Amino acid sequence: EVQLVESGGGLVQPGGSLRLSCAASGFTFTNHWMNWVRQAPGKGLEWVASINQDGSDKKYMDSVKGRFTISRDNAENSLYLEMNSLRTEDTAVYYCARAAGGADHYFEYWGQGTLVTVSS
Amino acid sequence: EIVLTQSPDTLSLSPGERATLSCRASQSVDRYLVWYQQKRGQAPRLLIYDTSNRATGIPARFSGSGFGTDFTLTISSLEPEDVAVYYCQQRLSWPPLTFGGGTKVEI
Repeated sequence: EVQLVESGGGLVQPGGSLRLSCAASGFTFTNHWMNWVRQAPGKGLEWVASINQDGSDKKYMDSVKGRFTISRDNAENSLYLEMNSLRTEDTAVYYCARAAGGADHYFEYWGQGTLVTVSS
Repeated sequence: EIVLTQSPDTLSLSPGERATLSCRASQSVDRYLVWYQQKRGQAPRLLIYDTSNRATGIPARFSGSGFGTDFTLTISSLEPEDVAVYYCQQRLSWPPLTFGGGTKVEI
């Protein structure tokens, strides 16, 4: 059974930093692109970042470029999102999502999400 | 960036009725259009990928159609458990991967 378990969310002041983690199990981690997708309170879904199987290719939405860093540890079957210079508009539930196989960039499995609140 | 526009915002129907949800792209996405279902308080769930392919475990009452810029998700006979927000997503041209704003289905 595929499982994605996020952790690391919480309350942080504007300008602060946070590191999200996603523990993956139930599938061959190194076969899949991995992603972060977020959802602001009461709003829709927004893709944040993606990383390829060996970590050599990373993509970001424009508003987080230079502030967020996606990474993975294939030995630990883990995905990370380092978030710096946080803004109030980054407040959202952050989901870890596994892409389908190969280069199919849609989200086949999702974690339950971790809430990040940026507020003073 | 490809913008996806979903309509209507809200669809209010009775059990057993047919639900038709629309997703329109600002430019062609070929057949690379995906649908998700999100129930209140839950993570999204993959419903349909590449226009018309149901994901594992998705009931046959869910179907998708379309090509290019106009796509439809149909629920042939609405069940109470289908109450949710439905999102479309394009995967042809990225970054960014983009979602529509969602259609809320209520009974």
